[in-house]
Amino acid sequence: AQSVTQLGSHVSVSEGALVLLRCNYSSSVPPYLFWYVQYPNQGLQLLLKYTSAATLVKGINGFEAEFKKSETSFHLTKPSAHMSDAAEYFCAVSVPPGGTSYGKLTFGQGTILTVHP
Amino acid sequence: ETGVTQTPRHLVMGMTNKKSLKCEQHLGHNAMYWYKQSAKKPLELMFVYNFKEQTENNSVPSRFSPECPNSSHLFLHLHTLQPEDSALYLCASSQIDRGNEKLFFGSGTQLSVL
Repeated sequence: AQSVTQLGSHVSVSEGALVLLRCNYSSSVPPYLFWYVQYPNQGLQLLLKYTSAATLVKGINGFEAEFKKSETSFHLTKPSAHMSDAAEYFCAVSVPPGGTSYGKLTFGQGTILTVHP
Repeated sequence: ETGVTQTPRHLVMGMTNKKSLKCEQHLGHNAMYWYKQSAKKPLELMFVYNFKEQTENNSVPSRFSPECPNSSHLFLHLHTLQPEDSALYLCASSQIDRGNEKLFFGSGTQLSVL
């Protein structure tokens, strides 16, 4: 069984400040990990994904995340927040493909990011 | 534009109504999904279709009935819903035989059950 915990349902930062959104996972097998973003009135878009290659993953819009097995974490960061980053962010976990993998992602509860001028 | 289109965007229905949600993907993917997004809860996987065959039913009540006539279209038929079924229903697609589990989501249908 897999699960994801996102620490903090709301994060507020000033424009230009560091963004840090926390995600911890639980998985009985080496996981695939994802961050998705949801802008108001839209579906989810993939920001980045970790699939057992490099532990530091770079995504779109300047975001990156680091897979830390020892901490079972996959925190999302961005050095400098922009107003357009305001959205809800979801961390998700799945098992690697093979056999009957069907893209069954288990999502966290989401973190709403607010960016102040 | 993600290549996944959902209609309608908003739906209000009474508990005795019958309605359907539609999803269409223009990406040539072979798998389609229904997710439910409720306030303050994680996204819940409802159904998975792989090559038009239902491969996952995540203990969804029978008042939700999916239909996948071909690999590009997915429907969710609704009948005798309850107020707690009010949520955002998201459709997604992916190409799973490439080992790529990147999901492409539609914008969702915001459902309100009165």
